[in-house]
Amino acid sequence: DTEVTQTPKHLVMGMTNKKSLKCEQHMGHRAMYWYKQKAKKPPELMFVYSYEKLSINESVPSRFSPECPNSSLLNLHLHALQPEDSALYLCASSRRRTNTGEATNEKLFFGSGTQLSVL
Amino acid sequence: GNSVTQMEGPVTLSEEAFLTINCTYTATGYPSLFWYVQYPGEGLQLLLKATKADDKGSNKGFEATYRKETTSFHLEKGSVQVSDSAVYFCALSDPWRSQGNLIFGKGTKLSVKP
Repeated sequence: DTEVTQTPKHLVMGMTNKKSLKCEQHMGHRAMYWYKQKAKKPPELMFVYSYEKLSINESVPSRFSPECPNSSLLNLHLHALQPEDSALYLCASSRRRTNTGEATNEKLFFGSGTQLSVL
Repeated sequence: GNSVTQMEGPVTLSEEAFLTINCTYTATGYPSLFWYVQYPGEGLQLLLKATKADDKGSNKGFEATYRKETTSFHLEKGSVQVSDSAVYFCALSDPWRSQGNLIFGKGTKLSVKP
């Protein structure tokens, strides 16, 4: 199994809603990532988890709340989003990072993403 | 800081044409270099990578050579197919940088016509 599975594939939510994006991998990877990709732009890193601990938060607003309940799962909880948060949210995983959370040359495996629209 | 610059797209080619997508980088240290491909409606897939100078990455007929002297990692394919239509991202990873695993270029959209 070399897949990263993201659900849902599409999500429409209002600015007062609370929703969650889910990501799952069964490759034994110990690093997981959330990226945000606006249309016709490259992905931008949001969060990195290393060995189930948050190691990088790229100054993401608190209306985005990540969670890593175990080594196979990564969630992104959404609350009080703005229309400008509409984007493709990509989850990725890699085999490992160092114990101090530093990046390695490991290949990233990406999911297909959740296309989020905030009305 | 570290950065990646890709040629502007979109690039439109006929089937069996030769493809070059230019990529240059700025980095401290010794980064690894990657090409990722994103097909419509999908996430990114690693196409090829090179981890040190003069390495050549290759996959599915695509090639790129890590050129330290010109700080480049240009993507080439001798004969493109319609199925190669996608957005291609050049990226670098500095193993000693703790701010994130990959820095992406802006992406180059390739359209291949029959």
